[in-house]
Amino acid sequence: GQNIDQPTEMTATEGAIVQINCTYQTSGFNGLFWYQQHAGEAPTFLSYNVLDGLEEKGRFSSFLSRSKGYSYLLLKELQMKDSASYLCAVRGSGTYKYIFGTGTRLKVLA
Amino acid sequence: DAGITQSPRYKITETGRQVTLMCHQTWSHSYMFWYRQDLGHGLRLIYYSAAADITDKGEVPDGYVVSRSKTENFPLTLESATRSQTSVYFCATSVTSASSYEQYFGPGTRLTVT
Repeated sequence: GQNIDQPTEMTATEGAIVQINCTYQTSGFNGLFWYQQHAGEAPTFLSYNVLDGLEEKGRFSSFLSRSKGYSYLLLKELQMKDSASYLCAVRGSGTYKYIFGTGTRLKVLA
Repeated sequence: DAGITQSPRYKITETGRQVTLMCHQTWSHSYMFWYRQDLGHGLRLIYYSAAADITDKGEVPDGYVVSRSKTENFPLTLESATRSQTSVYFCATSVTSASSYEQYFGPGTRLTVT
């Protein structure tokens, strides 16, 4: 079967660093995505990994290990506006179907 | 530039009624998707379309019908609404460049079936 696992909820302090993990088991792999979704809003794209390694984009970085079926999203210098849900998604090979995890709700405390 | 719009934003309907959710994009992206988002399930793919007149089922297609006669529109119809179809529905588009396949989401339609 196909499955994506993420922690349900995390809490961190403003200015800190937080790592959100995602493990996946899917039939084929053609890229892993991270999206941010504020409450009551639509998801917005954060990052894309298709090869092993780290992709950095400002305060956000995403890591992928295809052999381990594992990714993480690293958020540095946390700000209050980073309080949101973070969705991990995988695109299967030879398809435009995306499988989403249930999301990790991050609370940033002052 | 409106990008991707959905209408209505909120809808209350009764069990058994037919309801259509509209999705419109101004980017001419090839791919369009319909998802539903429920607590505990995350985003689940209902249907997607690779181009005009080409559609395919996703994870949870039962009870839904789609069409795509024009590239910019991708309506989703609930033929006979049930309470289990109460959800937030998101439409999304995607480009087909080789560098990324990120999706762009519309603002969502909150549907309540009573």
